[in-house]
Amino acid sequence: GAVVSQHPSWVICKSGTSVKIECRSLDFQATTMFWYRQFPKQSLMLMATSNEGSKATYEQGVEKDKFLINHASLTLSTLTVTSAHPEDSSFYICSAPRPLEQFFGPGTRLTVL
Amino acid sequence: TQLLEQSPQFLSIQEGENLTVYCNSSSVFSSLQWYRQEPGEGPVLLVTVVTGGEVKKLKRLTFQFGDARKDSSLHITAAQPGDTGLYLCAGANFGNEKLTFGTGTRLTIIP
Repeated sequence: GAVVSQHPSWVICKSGTSVKIECRSLDFQATTMFWYRQFPKQSLMLMATSNEGSKATYEQGVEKDKFLINHASLTLSTLTVTSAHPEDSSFYICSAPRPLEQFFGPGTRLTVL
Repeated sequence: TQLLEQSPQFLSIQEGENLTVYCNSSSVFSSLQWYRQEPGEGPVLLVTVVTGGEVKKLKRLTFQFGDARKDSSLHITAAQPGDTGLYLCAGANFGNEKLTFGTGTRLTIIP
């Protein structure tokens, strides 16, 4: 089946720094990718839709200047958490859609100290 | 805003028992997907149901899509410890790849 990778799998950073998370579709092209956030023991919350070659579409309540998304190629989308704070600590997951299913990356656990 | 409510939220049962997880909405979806997620990993697709009233079986798992395409259920027969995980339903609409995720059901099977 299709594979989506994420890097890094976990990151610990100091408050105020920026963190970049990469999402790659390894064996297929994805003009659209999705970024989710998941708090412990909760479901996935869609943050934004990453569109290749154009601006990302953010869900209501998600700060676009805080969570910068770049989809520069058909296989790579990046999420940058700018000026991270402890409340940004979470599990971030990306996905790439195929007909009738989505393939999810393994997730990135971000801890902001 | 489309919402998908799952019940129960948490379920802990003994190995060998049967269980059913429900996924309900007031909105119609063109398809509904079920995922299982293990700690520290991304969700993995179990099944996609498309037709109202559709029933799909995956070994001991039986999935049903409601006739009106507003709800779905997942039934597990003779649960095993390997079934432990977070089960998520997710609805999709025609022409839109964006998924609406359910609230999740955390299942624990006790050996």
